[in-house]
Amino acid sequence: GAVVSQHPSWVICKSGTSVKIECRSLDFQATTMFWYRQFPKQSLMLMATSNEGSKATYEQGVEKDKFLINHASLTLSTLTVTSAHPEDSSFYICSARSSSGSQNEQFFGPGTRLTVL
Amino acid sequence: GQNIDQPTEMTATEGAIVQINCTYQTSGFNGLFWYQQHAGEAPTFLSYNVLDGLEEKGRFSSFLSRSKGYSYLLLKELQMKDSASYLCAVREVWNTDKLIFGTGTRLQVFP
Repeated sequence: GAVVSQHPSWVICKSGTSVKIECRSLDFQATTMFWYRQFPKQSLMLMATSNEGSKATYEQGVEKDKFLINHASLTLSTLTVTSAHPEDSSFYICSARSSSGSQNEQFFGPGTRLTVL
Repeated sequence: GQNIDQPTEMTATEGAIVQINCTYQTSGFNGLFWYQQHAGEAPTFLSYNVLDGLEEKGRFSSFLSRSKGYSYLLLKELQMKDSASYLCAVREVWNTDKLIFGTGTRLQVFP
């Protein structure tokens, strides 16, 4: 099946710093990637839809100036958490849709655990 | 908008059968997915239903009734490794990419 990678797998940073998370589709091209956030014992919450070559579409309540998304190529999307604070500590997961799949299945990356001190 | 409900937690015994239900309300339905997620890991795809009926894949089966806004995931011959969270996700009809996830059901399998 299609493989999606994320980097880093975990990161610890000080409050006020910015953190960049990369999401790559390794063996397929993804015109659309998705960024989710998951707090402990909760389900995935869609943050934004990342489209290659255009601006991301953010879900209601997600600050676009705080969570910067760049989808510069068909295999890479990045999420930058700017001026991170402890409440941003969470598990961030990206997914990419393979257009060749019969049901347009989304493939998920392994996730990035962010801890803001 | 979308509203998806699942039981929060379930327990079962190794070797048994368990059914995890998912009900949804949506103004536009274009498919339902089930994912398995172990703690600290990303979700992995289990099944997809877009038409009414039962889809069987090994020990796992998924059922959909669009008129009732209802789906279930059936796990047979439970194994300890099946202890995980099971996420129901609905895809919107006007956006074939966007998935809305339910709260997830944490299943604990006991020996």
